[in-house]
Amino acid sequence: GENVEQHPSTLSVQEGDSAVIKCTYSDSASNYFPWYKQELGKRPQLIIDIRSNVGEKKDQRIAVTLNKTAKHFSLHITETQPEDSAVYFCAEGDSSYKLIFGSGTRLLVRP
Amino acid sequence: EAGVAQSPRYKIIEKRQSVAFWCNPISGHATLYWYQQILGQGPKLLIQFQNNGVVDDSQLPKDRFSAERLKGVDSTLKIQPAKLEDSAVYLCASSPGLDEQFFGPGTRLTVL
Repeated sequence: GENVEQHPSTLSVQEGDSAVIKCTYSDSASNYFPWYKQELGKRPQLIIDIRSNVGEKKDQRIAVTLNKTAKHFSLHITETQPEDSAVYFCAEGDSSYKLIFGSGTRLLVRP
Repeated sequence: EAGVAQSPRYKIIEKRQSVAFWCNPISGHATLYWYQQILGQGPKLLIQFQNNGVVDDSQLPKDRFSAERLKGVDSTLKIQPAKLEDSAVYLCASSPGLDEQFFGPGTRLTVL
């Protein structure tokens, strides 16, 4: 069945360091891979997404890479700042526009 | 542009009681989703509407949960009767029919 595995579940980094979160998926039909950031008590907000015809996408300090053969994709945050501290969720979607979410990664950026 | 609106923001009920949540999507968005987010987990899709029709309700516990989207705009999600394990945040999201989904602030339900 459809499943998204996300690692690690928690990640602590020093301010200025990089953070990497990885997800693997099982559905070959998946063609859309968004990443959401959720601060405590707030709604999930899309921070970056990638489609299956692209291998990498970058937006300032964040980037996402996709390996369709291996069925995994990753979020990279460079020069981390305390305001990057939040829970990050990966998700996979297909042509039905339905999203399956990972279990989340709690990122803590230490000042 | 106004975002997705949900009410109430918080609800506390006792088990076996009923509860209803309301969602108003972004104007013009044809697709509407209800998710259940249990503490410490990712959102889990309960039901997906396209206009006023159901696209996917495979994860909806139909013996106690129901949802409708009359006139293809607002939507309500109902739980009757509630169980302790229904304690969660219920998120509504809408989409213009493309991939990106926009989430509402959620309703935090506590079942005692």
